[in-house]
Amino acid sequence: AQSVTQPDIHITVSEGASLELRCNYSYGATPYLFWYVQSPGQGLQLLLKYFSGDTLVQGIKGFEAEFKRSQSSFNLRKPSVHWSDAAEYFCAVDYTGGGNKLTFGTGTQLKVEL
Amino acid sequence: GAVVSQHPSWVICKSGTSVKIECRSLDFQATTMFWYRQFPKQSLMLMATSNEGSKATYEQGVEKDKFLINHASLTLSTLTVTSAHPEDSSFYICSAPTKGSWNSPLHFGNGTRLTVT
Repeated sequence: AQSVTQPDIHITVSEGASLELRCNYSYGATPYLFWYVQSPGQGLQLLLKYFSGDTLVQGIKGFEAEFKRSQSSFNLRKPSVHWSDAAEYFCAVDYTGGGNKLTFGTGTQLKVEL
Repeated sequence: GAVVSQHPSWVICKSGTSVKIECRSLDFQATTMFWYRQFPKQSLMLMATSNEGSKATYEQGVEKDKFLINHASLTLSTLTVTSAHPEDSSFYICSAPTKGSWNSPLHFGNGTRLTVT
């Protein structure tokens, strides 16, 4: 069965520090890959997505992610974290080819220390 | 941009009663909507795919008679939790892709926090 793994449940970084959130997906045909952010009690906002092409994708709010086929990974990065980035981050994949039927990882809770 | 509106944002109901949650696409038509459930500190689990004018498609393990889905128009899907019990307490989120754009990103509602007492 398809699966998405986010190995870090919680991450704490200082404001201004760099950030990397890890995401691995189960082996198979390259899925469509997504990163979403969820603020408390809110729905999800799409940060970025990868369908094909350049393996380094740029998203909103200064985030980027790199698809590495050899590692089945799609890690999210940001060079300098802002306090407003504190939230829950979800990696998601779609294996159906439609880009809509998503399997989510368990999420990483990001805390930003001032 | 495209917006999905979900109502109510939170609801408290007594055990045994039914609760209806609405999901509306405000500025686009959605032939398909997705309903997710999120337990505290956990990920979103897809419950069902709502299809306009036809029956919903439920994921394995989701009781279709418990979670009734109706998608009567291109802008509205409803999820009714029937005979709710405390274990149904959860955060329910709907989403919809922009119609006609197969690989468009999903637009998510802000979710509904259901508490069954």
